[in-house]
Amino acid sequence: QKEVEQDPGPLSVPEGAIVSLNCTYSNSAFQYFMWYRQYSRKGPELLMYTYSSGNKEDGRFTAQVDKSSKYISLFIRDSQPSDSATYLCAMGVTGNQFYFGTGTSLTVIP
Amino acid sequence: SAVISQKPSRDICQRGTSLTIQCQVDSQVTMMFWYRQQPGQSLTLIATANQGSEATYESGFVIDKFPISRPNLTFSTLTVSNMSPEDSSIYLCSVISQSSYEQYFGPGTRLTVT
Repeated sequence: QKEVEQDPGPLSVPEGAIVSLNCTYSNSAFQYFMWYRQYSRKGPELLMYTYSSGNKEDGRFTAQVDKSSKYISLFIRDSQPSDSATYLCAMGVTGNQFYFGTGTSLTVIP
Repeated sequence: SAVISQKPSRDICQRGTSLTIQCQVDSQVTMMFWYRQQPGQSLTLIATANQGSEATYESGFVIDKFPISRPNLTFSTLTVSNMSPEDSSIYLCSVISQSSYEQYFGPGTRLTVT
């Protein structure tokens, strides 16, 4: 079983929709959780970072961690065509090694 | 946050040759890593670049194939040796902030081996 599971998509939504991206994991010791956005032919860009459980909001982006279900989510409100990218989740037990999902490809249609 | 640059941004190389990728960070960092990203796959950690000592390689990666240098806290190189088409991939340099534990990535080096 992989440490981190992420649906690769692709996911296609109309502009203005709410997008929900999800990852599940198997290691209950994970306590660092991150979401990255990666545009085509670019390196991953850190979007959201959460330590332990709970929610974190930054503009149109909300990250949720449910440790009891071993499930994390990234919500994008009022999605824009510029949000079209691949989104990767990552998590770790300590702050020096992280495990990555395979990424979900998102397209926001104008 | 950390700003990371990589050189070259892309290259096309012939089988059997070697390519050295450079990574420069705008601040001193203890933890620096090299990843590989193949299409449709997750990021795969190649090794941790240690300053002043040999790199720590993950299972499936060896020093002879991927020698790494880390002469100081802001710079590292990864060499892909004796390349084959299977080495075609994106190679990413990454650092972890000592204060926040946030991980940052460089823009990547897109390597094609013919």
